[in-house]
Formats: sequence, structure tokens, C-alpha cells
Amino acid sequence: GAGVSQSPRYKVAKRGQDVALRCDPISGHVSLFWYQQALGQGPEFLTYFQNEAQLDKSGLPSDRFFAERPEGSVSTLKIQRTQQEDSAVYLCASSLAGELAGVFEQFFGPGTRLTVL
Amino acid sequence: GQNIDQPTEMTATEGAIVQINCTYQTSGFNGLFWYQQHAGEAPTFLSYNVLDGLEEKGRFSSFLSRSKGYSYLLLKELQMKDSASYLCAVTDSNYQLIWGAGTKLIIKP
Repeated sequence: GAGVSQSPRYKVAKRGQDVALRCDPISGHVSLFWYQQALGQGPEFLTYFQNEAQLDKSGLPSDRFFAERPEGSVSTLKIQRTQQEDSAVYLCASSLAGELAGVFEQFFGPGTRLTVL
Repeated sequence: GQNIDQPTEMTATEGAIVQINCTYQTSGFNGLFWYQQHAGEAPTFLSYNVLDGLEEKGRFSSFLSRSKGYSYLLLKELQMKDSASYLCAVTDSNYQLIWGAGTKLIIKP
């Protein structure tokens, strides 16, 4: 069965460029999370969707970060005018649960490693 | 503030037993997860504890004490493939996951 997929796996951007990172969750999974993970650190929450609704975006570090999930399946994380501090691995995770998603197992994609030069 | 503490790095010998501790201070508690993450790969689910006590799953066991804000992950009969980072994460009162920085476990032959 297909797991969570993310593309691209690696992205190198010049400072100031816009990037778009894609996440394909497991089919039928209601909840979708985006995390940022720096080297040697745990995942840091960015944003959460329940179907197409973005219920929590409190972790987005600035207004340069934008996420969408228009049809309740595929999601895109967009970073505008990238900065060097945006360099990290961006993880996407999905969960079958809708309500109370935080008590259910999350299935993670392989991540996109973003390097901003 | 919310805080998850776990050791940065641990070393153990193949075939031995290792215990990775996690202490937490969060606004509310709705469960604690342990995930395994190999270098360059996605985290994968190991265990979930919401009640006090020990949950055993093969070579891995996880323990929780809510009154002490404490959990540990116990790995028995260590294998080289167990070399990975082990992430502790707590679900708070808003059902958000708060993640620790992870413990890098190094297994030596």
C-alpha cells in the first residue's frame, strides 16, 4: 500500500526564490500535518489540516509560509522569498483521525530537504 | 512553557538492554508517543501510552508515570539496526503533539 509521499525529496534554492513542497497523504486520511525539522532536532509543528480546512497555522514562522489543501487530499507548503534560516527538512504526516488527531498515530513522509544558498 | 526533555545521545552494546528516558511539562496530557527515526528517513511509530504502566511490544517496551511526568522506552536484545534517533512526543490539552529533540542511540558491536 502507498504511504505518504513528498516531492521533491531535495530542493536547493537561491535566497529570495519561492519554493513549493508537495505532500500526498495516505488515501482517506483526514488529518494532515506539516513539520519543520532542523538537524539533530525533533519535528517542529507548522500547520494542521482537517480535510480541506486549515485548523491551526500557529507554527508557521512568518507570513512567507503558506499551506493549502484545497480538495482535502494533496497539500502544498509554499515558502516565499526563501531565507537561509529556512533550510531544514520539511516533513508531512497524515492521520486517519479527524477530531482528536493528536492521540492517533501519524504516518510520515520521507521529507523534503530544503537548502537555501 | 511546554517542555520535553530527553538525553541527546546514548551508546549501548549489541545484545544489551538500553533505557531512554523522557520527562515532560505540558499544558495538559492526552498521551505520549515514541517514534523511531533513522538518519535521513521519516519517523515511524513505536508506541503510545495514555495510562500509567508498562506497554510491551516485542523487544520494545514503553512505560508511563503521569504523576511524575515521566516515560521511558526500553529496548532489549539490541541489534545494529536499532541505531537511530528516538523521539518522545506528548499530546497536550489542545490535542497538539509537542516533540522532544530526540535521543540518538549508537549501537556498538
